Amino acid sequence: DAGVIQSPRHEVTEMGQEVTLRCKPISGHDYLFWYRQTMMRGLELLIYFNNNVPIDDSGMPEDRFSAKMPNASFSTLKIQPSEPRDSAVYFCASSPGFEAGELFFGEGSRLTVL
Amino acid sequence: AQKVTQAQTEISVVEKEDVTLDCVYETRDTTYYLFWYKQPPSGELVFLIRRNSFDEQNEISGRYSWNFQKSTSSFNFTITASQVVDSAVYFCALTYPNTNAGKSTFGDGTTLTVKP
Repeated sequence: DAGVIQSPRHEVTEMGQEVTLRCKPISGHDYLFWYRQTMMRGLELLIYFNNNVPIDDSGMPEDRFSAKMPNASFSTLKIQPSEPRDSAVYFCASSPGFEAGELFFGEGSRLTVL
Repeated sequence: AQKVTQAQTEISVVEKEDVTLDCVYETRDTTYYLFWYKQPPSGELVFLIRRNSFDEQNEISGRYSWNFQKSTSSFNFTITASQVVDSAVYFCALTYPNTNAGKSTFGDGTTLTVKP
């Protein structure tokens, strides 16, 4: 079975540009998560969805960040406008729909904002 | 509030040595779940184990073993006869019941380097 698929793997952009990260979760998983990983702050949960509905977006740092899940097989995380401090590895993860199900992570999207 | 502490930032061992990664957690709940994940150099995090707070039995899986002690709030991870492929960042995580594991609190990770 295919795992969580993220694209792009690497993105280099200039400050002020719009960035869109994409994720395809594992089929049948009810939960989808967006995490950000930096050296300074470690792994941070940005937002998560249950059955395509955003449940908790309290980790989204600013209004510049937005996430959507239009269907069960696709989600996007958008940053507009991007800033250098947004540089990080962004992970998408999915999880089965039972309590404390383990997370299945994608390979991450490494974002560099110049 | 919940907190996970991985006091060892970096560990370096020589191949075939045994190594233990420490994880200490804080929670006021009596029911909770603990996890270990591995992040190899390729970048993706890989699930290793889940343990609930009512199951204090230690677990062994090949060269990996986990020691869960509620009395000391620890969930330590031991790799026996380490190999170069074990080089990775290892994360311990904690979550409350009735929440999804995605709301886990992660430790800062321990970077393990196994030298040939």
